[in-house]
Amino acid sequence: AQSVTQLGSHVSVSEGALVLLRCNYSSSVPPYLFWYVQYPNQGLQLLLKYTSAATLVKGINGFEAEFKKSETSFHLTKPSAHMSDAAEYFCAVWPTGGFKTIFGAGTRLFVKA
Amino acid sequence: DGGITQSPKYLFRKEGQNVTLSCEQNLNHDAMYWYRQDPGQGLRLIYYSQIVNDFQKGDIAEGYSVSREKKESFPLTVTSAQKNPTAFYLCASSIATPQETQYFGPGTRLLVL
Repeated sequence: AQSVTQLGSHVSVSEGALVLLRCNYSSSVPPYLFWYVQYPNQGLQLLLKYTSAATLVKGINGFEAEFKKSETSFHLTKPSAHMSDAAEYFCAVWPTGGFKTIFGAGTRLFVKA
Repeated sequence: DGGITQSPKYLFRKEGQNVTLSCEQNLNHDAMYWYRQDPGQGLRLIYYSQIVNDFQKGDIAEGYSVSREKKESFPLTVTSAQKNPTAFYLCASSIATPQETQYFGPGTRLLVL
C-alpha cells in the first residue's frame, strides 16, 4: 500500500536557522508529491508540488523541496526560519493512477526567538 | 474572490443527533473532498466526488453521508452512527482528479455535548 512517512511530529528551530522537514514515500511508480502548510484552526494551503518536471521544486515563502527517487524522499527546506513559519506541515503523495491523495501525519514546526 | 467556504466554524452535537456541515466552492472545480483531521493522524478521507450526482466512499465513511446535487456544494452529514465524531473537518476541491492541487476550506470543528 502507498504511504507517506514524516519523520518527527515536532521540530524546533531558532529564528534564522535552517528548516528541514523530512518526508519519505512508498510508491512503485513516480508519484505526484505535495507539501501543504496549515496555520492554527485553518485549512491547508499548498506550499509546493512535484510533478516530475524538475527534481528541485521552489515554493512560496522561500521553501523548496528536492525529489530524490533513489531515497524515495521529498524533504522540505528553508535556509532561514522566520517566526511566521511556525505551523504544521503535511507531506502528501498522489500515486500515479490512484484515486486519492495520501497525507502524512504532519510535522509541527516551532520557531524560537 | 474565489474560494471554499465552510460553515459553521464550530458545531456542537448532542448524542443521537445528526448534524450537517456545509461546504461551498466558487472555483468551478469538478472534484470535492471531505477529510477528517485528528491530532497526530494527518488527514483521512471520508468521501469524495468527482462529478455532480456521483460520490465514492473514502477510508472512513462509516457514520457519514454526503450529497452532490450541485457542482458548488458538497454537504457532509455526521449521523448518530458515528460514535466518535469530535474532530476538525476539512472540505477541499480540485479541478478534476487528486493529482491537481487541492484547495481547502477553513474547516469546521465538531464537538460533542
